[in-house]
Amino acid sequence: QKEVEQNSGPLSVPEGAIASLNCTYSDRGSQSFFWYRQYSGKSPELIMSIYSNGDKEDGRFTAQLNKASQYVSLLIRDSQPSDSATYLCAAENYGGSQGNLIFGKGTKLSVKP
Amino acid sequence: KAGVTQTPRYLIKTRGQQVTLSCSPISGHRSVSWYQQTPGQGLQFLFEYFSETQRNKGNFPGRFSGRQFSNSRSEMNVSTLELGDSALYLCASSPGGITDTQYFGPGTRLTVL
Repeated sequence: QKEVEQNSGPLSVPEGAIASLNCTYSDRGSQSFFWYRQYSGKSPELIMSIYSNGDKEDGRFTAQLNKASQYVSLLIRDSQPSDSATYLCAAENYGGSQGNLIFGKGTKLSVKP
Repeated sequence: KAGVTQTPRYLIKTRGQQVTLSCSPISGHRSVSWYQQTPGQGLQFLFEYFSETQRNKGNFPGRFSGRQFSNSRSEMNVSTLELGDSALYLCASSPGGITDTQYFGPGTRLTVL
């Protein structure tokens, strides 16, 4: 069973700090990775995608991918209370002719003013 | 541009019945994906349709099926409902597929009694 694992949290950080969210995946064949943010009672929204080893930066967000370690992370710099949400990590993999998108159960982030 | 719409927003059914949920994607988007979200299992990918063809599929039983029409609107059907099918069902649309930026609808809350 292919899995994506995340620490459920809650992860609590003070405003202005760096929040570090981590994710591991079991399928070495996964090629594409995604971070979604979901506010309570709302639908998920994509904040970052990453396909190659290394770092990818977008504003205050940096996604990091290490395929050898099967590890994906999301760093949020200068965390704001508005970043308080559940962050979902997802990995895409293909088995046979069709692909699947597997999500972790999410890490709840709380940013304290 | 109008967002993704889903109907109905809430639904109550009894075990053994079947249900059909509807999703209208963002204009111009050809890909529609369906997801099930529960507190215990988190967000799980059901399937993706692109240009009226099922292109990707998650690990759900055959009771879960879908289709897509020529205008990209999609329906999802669940037959022989079980208590465990109670969940929030989300659909998402994108221009190109599950590795594109997906835009989620507000979801349909299904309760099976």
